[in-house]
Amino acid sequence: AQKITQTQPGMFVQEKEAVTLDCTYDTSDPSYGLFWYKQPSSGEMIFLIYQGSYDQQNATEGRYSLNFQKARKSANLVISASQLGDSAMYFCAMRGGAGGTSYGKLTFGQGTILTVHP
Amino acid sequence: GAGVSQSPSNKVTEKGKDVELRCDPISGHTALYWYRQSLGQGLEFLIYFQGNSAPDKSGLPSDRFSAERTGGSVSTLTIQRTQQEDSAVYLCASSPDGTRSYEQYFGPGTRLTVT
Repeated sequence: AQKITQTQPGMFVQEKEAVTLDCTYDTSDPSYGLFWYKQPSSGEMIFLIYQGSYDQQNATEGRYSLNFQKARKSANLVISASQLGDSAMYFCAMRGGAGGTSYGKLTFGQGTILTVHP
Repeated sequence: GAGVSQSPSNKVTEKGKDVELRCDPISGHTALYWYRQSLGQGLEFLIYFQGNSAPDKSGLPSDRFSAERTGGSVSTLTIQRTQQEDSAVYLCASSPDGTRSYEQYFGPGTRLTVT
């Protein structure tokens, strides 16, 4: 079974500053993928970033980077230079590797509401 | 190009009625997923299609829930004899083959309210 834990129900950050959203995971799959999604108040789920468990380098996509610490089973999202439009719910998710029983589905955490102050 | 579309966007139904929710994936995407999002349960996986077959139905909450996919494209999620606990936003996602097959593109969802 896979489990994602996001311990921060809400986070606040000042515009233009960096913020880290925490995510820890648990899985018995030897390979897996980790994801972050953004859900604004409009309700759409927007893919932000992906990290494969065998990737040697931390993933980056523009202002988003994933701080992957495999031994600690953590996959924190770092947003640099926060913008007002970053205010949203953020979900961490994972899925198992190809051939495993958890391959097709994403398991989500409970989410963190990020509020960016001007 | 067009994203994942879902219809209807909102559905209000009476307890005990059947409902059908539709998902049109991005053209050419072979994998299709259904999730639901509710206040009490967060985001839950329901079912996953690869082409027209469903390798993983493990998330369907009861035998009142079923889904099918035809022609490797459109999918319908059917809920029979709806209950109030079925009220949620039902999200559909699709993903392509190839190097970015991990990336799931979500539709806007169908908000289901069972009265």
